[in-house]
Order: sequence, then C-alpha cells, then structure tokens
Amino acid sequence: KQEVTQIPAALSVPEGENLVLNCSFTDSAIYNLQWFRQDPGKGLTSLLLIQSSQREQTSGRLNASLDKSSGRSTLYIAASQPGDSATYLCAVSRGNNRLAFGKGNQVVVIP
Amino acid sequence: GAVVSQHPSWVICKSGTSVKIECRSLDFQATTMFWYRQFPKQSLMLMATSNEGSKATYEQGVEKDKFLINHASLTLSTLTVTSAHPEDSSFYICSARDPDGQETQYFGPGTRLLVL
Repeated sequence: KQEVTQIPAALSVPEGENLVLNCSFTDSAIYNLQWFRQDPGKGLTSLLLIQSSQREQTSGRLNASLDKSSGRSTLYIAASQPGDSATYLCAVSRGNNRLAFGKGNQVVVIP
Repeated sequence: GAVVSQHPSWVICKSGTSVKIECRSLDFQATTMFWYRQFPKQSLMLMATSNEGSKATYEQGVEKDKFLINHASLTLSTLTVTSAHPEDSSFYICSARDPDGQETQYFGPGTRLLVL
C-alpha cells in the first residue's frame, strides 16, 4: 500500500522567505506526482504535475523536484507572499488516475 | 478551464437519514469521476471511481451499500450517503478526469456533511 508523508505538517515563515516543502512515498512505482493547494474548507487546485520520467517542473515562483528512486519530492516556493498561505498536498498516481495523498503541509506566511 | 461544481456546499442532517451530493462537470464531459473523503487534519482518501454508464469501483474498506454512486450522464455523478451516522460527518470532494486524457483531475469545491 502506498504511503505518502509530508514534512513538516505545519510551518510559518516571514514574507519574502523561500518555502521548502517535502513529500516522501513508499512505493516508487508511480505514474506521476502532483502538488495541490487547498484553502480552508475548499477544494483542490493543481499546482504542478511531474511525470515519473521527469526530474522537475517549474511554474512561476514554484518549482517541484522528483527523485523517484528515493521516493521523494520537494516543492519550492520562492519569495513567499501572504497569499501563499494554504495547505499544500502531495499526491502520487498509481495509474488510472487513482491518487494517494499526503496529509499536507499547512503554511502560514507572516506579513 | 475545466470546472467542477458540487451541490450542496454543506449539509446538516439527522442520524438515519440519507443525503445526496451532486458533482457536475460544467464545461466538459467526464466519463470518469472520483469521490474522496477528508477528515480534519487528515489526507484525502479515495472512496470510489465513478464511471459513466457502469458500476462504480470502490476502494478497499468502503461500503458500496453505504455510499451509493450513480453516474448516469457525462456531466453528473451523485454520491448518496445512506442511513447517515455521526461518524460519516466529513468533507466529501469529487473530481473529474481531464477530458484531454491527461493524468490529472479537476476537483470540486467539496461538500461539508454534518450528521447529528
């Protein structure tokens, strides 16, 4: 059974600092890995999707890396802003769109 | 972009009653939709895969007679929580598979269920 772990569970950073969020998974036989953003009481917004054959993906201030062999992914958010405050979820695909999620990294960016 | 809606956004019901939650793809056809459940401070757990015109596929440990799924059209899937109990109180989120065949999903805003 695929287990997805996200560390740290929660963190607070001052505005302008870079954020580093970690995700690990136990079964390296994944189809892809995605990072999502979830605001309180809301659904999910897809941020980045990394195929299993890729090493990283970038979108604006966001960069996600994938090391499939070691079962790790890292999401970097450069120059954090208060609007980045949210919970960030990591999910790995087992194929057929069946996603296994971590519990999330709850981020607060302090103005 | 692809938009998925859910109705209702929140519902309170008495123990023993049934509750239906709708998931709609607004601007695309979704042959496959997914239902998730999320407890506070916990991860989203996939409950079932809903396929248009066929029976849903349930994940291990999810009671199919408790959580009835119907996907009668290409834009609508429904989840009915039958004989709801307080332990069914949770945040239910649906998603729809990308219509272009990409391995990604578009998520609805979620439905908060509270069973008294």
